[in-house]
Amino acid sequence: QVQLVQSGAEVKKPGASVKLSCKASGYILTRNHMHWVRQAPGQGLEWMGIINPNDGGTGYAQKFQGRVIMTRDTSTSTVYMQLTGLRPEDTAVYYCARVAHQCLETWGQGTLVTVSS
Amino acid sequence: SYELTQPPSVSVSPGQTATITCSGDKLGQRYASWYQQKPGQPPVVVIHQDTKRPSGIPERFSGFSSGNTATLTISGAQPMDEADYYCQAWDSSNVVFGGGTTLTVL
Repeated sequence: QVQLVQSGAEVKKPGASVKLSCKASGYILTRNHMHWVRQAPGQGLEWMGIINPNDGGTGYAQKFQGRVIMTRDTSTSTVYMQLTGLRPEDTAVYYCARVAHQCLETWGQGTLVTVSS
Repeated sequence: SYELTQPPSVSVSPGQTATITCSGDKLGQRYASWYQQKPGQPPVVVIHQDTKRPSGIPERFSGFSSGNTATLTISGAQPMDEADYYCQAWDSSNVVFGGGTTLTVL
C-alpha cells in the first residue's frame, strides 16, 4: 500500500537549518506531486510548497520563498524539504502529502521540529 | 491570495447531523476536499472532489459544493467523529486550507 515515512524529530537552534525527508513506498514516486504542510502547536494546517518528483519542479508559498528548498532523489524514492534561518515560530509538525484524486490523499506521519535556544 | 473560511467550532449531540461549511470566492468552481484530524495524528481525507468519499470512510460522511460554499455533512454523528476538520481547495497548483473547525459530539 502507499506509504510515506518521514524522518525523526529534530531540535534546532535559531538561525540553523533543517532538512527533513519523506520516503515513499507502494507506488512510483515520479507519478504524483508531493506537498509539504506544517502545523504549529494548537494551530491549523499551513501549506509550504509543492514538488513535482518527475522533473524536480517546485513551487513555494510566498511566506517561505527564499527559506525553503524542496528536492527529490528518485533512486531512493525520497523527497526532502530544507528550511533555513529557523526561528522559534517555525516550531511545528511538518508533513509530506501525496496528491491523488485531486486531494492530499496520503500523508506522512509528521516530523516535529523544535526551534529553541 | 485565495482564502477559505470555516466556523471555528460546531457542536452536535450523538446521532444528530453535523454540518460544517467552508466559504470562498466561487469555491463551487474549484474542487474542495475535507480532512479529519484527530489529536496527534496526521489529517485523513474524508471527502475529495467535492462529493467523493474514499474507501474506508463511513457513508455518514458526505460533501456538497455550490456557489461560494462547500459543505461537509456527517449524518448521525458519532463520538468517534470528534476531531478537527479542514477544507481545502486549489489555487492553481497551490494548496489552500480553511482555518479548521473543531467538531464536538456530546
